[in-house]
Amino acid sequence: DAGITQSPRHKVTETGTPVTLRCHQTENHRYMYWYRQDPGHGLRLIHYSYGVKDTDKGEVSDGYSVSRSKTEDFLLTLESATSSQTSVYFCAISLSGLYEQYFGPGTRLTVT
Amino acid sequence: KQEVTQIPAALSVPEGENLVLNCSFTDSAIYNLQWFRQDPGKGLTSLLLIQSSQREQTSGRLNASLDKSSGRSTLYIAASQPGDSATYLCAVPGGSNYKLTFGKGTLLTVNP
Repeated sequence: DAGITQSPRHKVTETGTPVTLRCHQTENHRYMYWYRQDPGHGLRLIHYSYGVKDTDKGEVSDGYSVSRSKTEDFLLTLESATSSQTSVYFCAISLSGLYEQYFGPGTRLTVT
Repeated sequence: KQEVTQIPAALSVPEGENLVLNCSFTDSAIYNLQWFRQDPGKGLTSLLLIQSSQREQTSGRLNASLDKSSGRSTLYIAASQPGDSATYLCAVPGGSNYKLTFGKGTLLTVNP
């Protein structure tokens, strides 16, 4: 299994609070991605990174920000959590853009 | 915009049966196609990556084929087992960020 961990694995938070999810990899892969998975929508890309301090938006980036200060860590921040951000969040890594993507175990976030 | 469709949405078979899962995509200009497995409440496990120049890729009882010109891929599972029960997803990378566009998956149940 690819060395990807996500923390926390489960979180319940209240509307309006900031939340930060962490993805940590031990593979030294260049690309890192944040997806969310929702019933009826499948998996959708939130943000991605193609190197340290190099990040860009995905298709559902509103309300989210990311940071990558080290190769191994990619942080996803919900600036002010809303109920529509209740979801399962997956981090993925890839050695290079066209290589296989490997997924972390996911974080289940509930916003009440 | 790339769209990925998986048919059927659900499939139930008796143990030992050979089966085929289908994946179709609208833009045939793909680099590769990846098949994943997802168990309930778990992350995605990469099963096979098939490059655009390949027609087939095999791993154990799994065989994936790719026909770019027709926009189709199939995942063949031989001698199915109850442990194969899971949701199977196909995905193709695209765009400048190589983000994966996923199908909605096929929920496979193998009955003992």
